[in-house]
Amino acid sequence: DAKTTQPNSMESNEEEPVHLPCNHSTISGTDYIHWYRQLPSQGPEYVIHGLTSNVNNRMASLAIAEDRKSSTLILHRATLRDAAVYYCILRGAGNTPLVFGKGTRLSVIA
Amino acid sequence: EAGVTQFPSHSVIEKGQTVTLRCDPISGHDNLYWYRRVMGKEIKFLLHFVKESKQDESGMPNNRFLAERTGGTYSTLKVQPAELEDSGVYFCASSQVTRSGGYTFGSGTRLTVV
Repeated sequence: DAKTTQPNSMESNEEEPVHLPCNHSTISGTDYIHWYRQLPSQGPEYVIHGLTSNVNNRMASLAIAEDRKSSTLILHRATLRDAAVYYCILRGAGNTPLVFGKGTRLSVIA
Repeated sequence: EAGVTQFPSHSVIEKGQTVTLRCDPISGHDNLYWYRRVMGKEIKFLLHFVKESKQDESGMPNNRFLAERTGGTYSTLKVQPAELEDSGVYFCASSQVTRSGGYTFGSGTRLTVV
């Protein structure tokens, strides 16, 4: 699986939007971009995924660069419950398992 | 729908003992995965079942670990004999058989070997 690069940590104020970046310059044409998050003392939680087009769901939005070499997870209004480690993961061809990196630790300040 | 269930949630055993972790995936999910996080490290893939068959067990650390998924339903992960370095949180996840789909993870089993 191609690797991703994320900042180690980010901080946001409560009720403000958060943009979590991810670089994946070696992405292949068939790689899906997945985002997961892990809240304290819980298992990872699926957030969103996409291939080429931007995606929206109830949790977040995913903005994918036109060249697909980077993407941004957008939380429209951060809450204290959004404090977690966010993982950007590329999932390659076939039924290959997710490979987790270090992720970005998001802190939300009240 | 019910989520992925793992038990026990915590287990403390002595070095040399045997422990069996269980995972009940979401009903109808053919894919089942085991992952582990050792303290201070990243979440690491252990193995992947498709129904009852092991699709990929490249992440299993050694032959002290044995995973089964009889009948393609729940799965067990046995560690025998346990060593200190086996301590960590073991996560199970399941997904439907579509490449683009997301995984649903359980809350994990925290294993402490003393």
